[in-house]
Amino acid sequence: AQTVTQSQPEMSVQEAETVTLSCTYDTSENNYYLFWYKQPPSRQMILVIRQEAYKQQNATENRFSVNFQKAAKSFSLKISDSQLGDTAMYFCALKTQGGSEKLVFGKGMKLTVNP
Amino acid sequence: GAVVSQHPSRVICKSGTSVKIECRSLDFQATTMFWYRQFPKKSLMLMATSNEGSKATYEQGVEKDKFLINHASLTLSTLTVTSAHPEDSSFYICSAKGGAKNEKLFFGSGTQLSVL
Repeated sequence: AQTVTQSQPEMSVQEAETVTLSCTYDTSENNYYLFWYKQPPSRQMILVIRQEAYKQQNATENRFSVNFQKAAKSFSLKISDSQLGDTAMYFCALKTQGGSEKLVFGKGMKLTVNP
Repeated sequence: GAVVSQHPSRVICKSGTSVKIECRSLDFQATTMFWYRQFPKKSLMLMATSNEGSKATYEQGVEKDKFLINHASLTLSTLTVTSAHPEDSSFYICSAKGGAKNEKLFFGSGTQLSVL
């Protein structure tokens, strides 16, 4: 079975600062994808960044980057130059290849960016 | 980018009635769609996987006769909550698998169901 753990329920950061959201996961599969999704107050799920497990290079998307440690099964998200619009729930998720390919989510973390 | 439309966004119904929620992929064909349920301040829990032209696959603990899923076309999946009760009140979100290698998931905007 696949599990995703986000141990920090809530964080706050000042605008323009950098914040790191932690996530650990467990799977017996070798091929899988990891995701960070953002859910703002509108509740629309928005893909922030994606990492393929077979790629050693950490994914980056503008102000968002990940630190993917495959051996440690860790997948943290770094948000640089935080903006007020980054305030949202953030979910870490895991999808294995093959089979149903369903997405397993962590419990989520509420990030508040303060002015 | 790919768009998934979910309708209605909000519905209030009386206990005992049935409610249908639609999930459409607007600019791509989705052979597989997923239905999630989200309780307040909680994570998304997968309810079922909807496959076009075949029966849905339900997760353990989800009543298939309670939550009817139909995926009759490549662009539409529906979730019907039958004989709704107050405990069915929740936020329901659909997602559709797409992308060049079918590796991406696109989410609908969700449906808030309130059963009185």
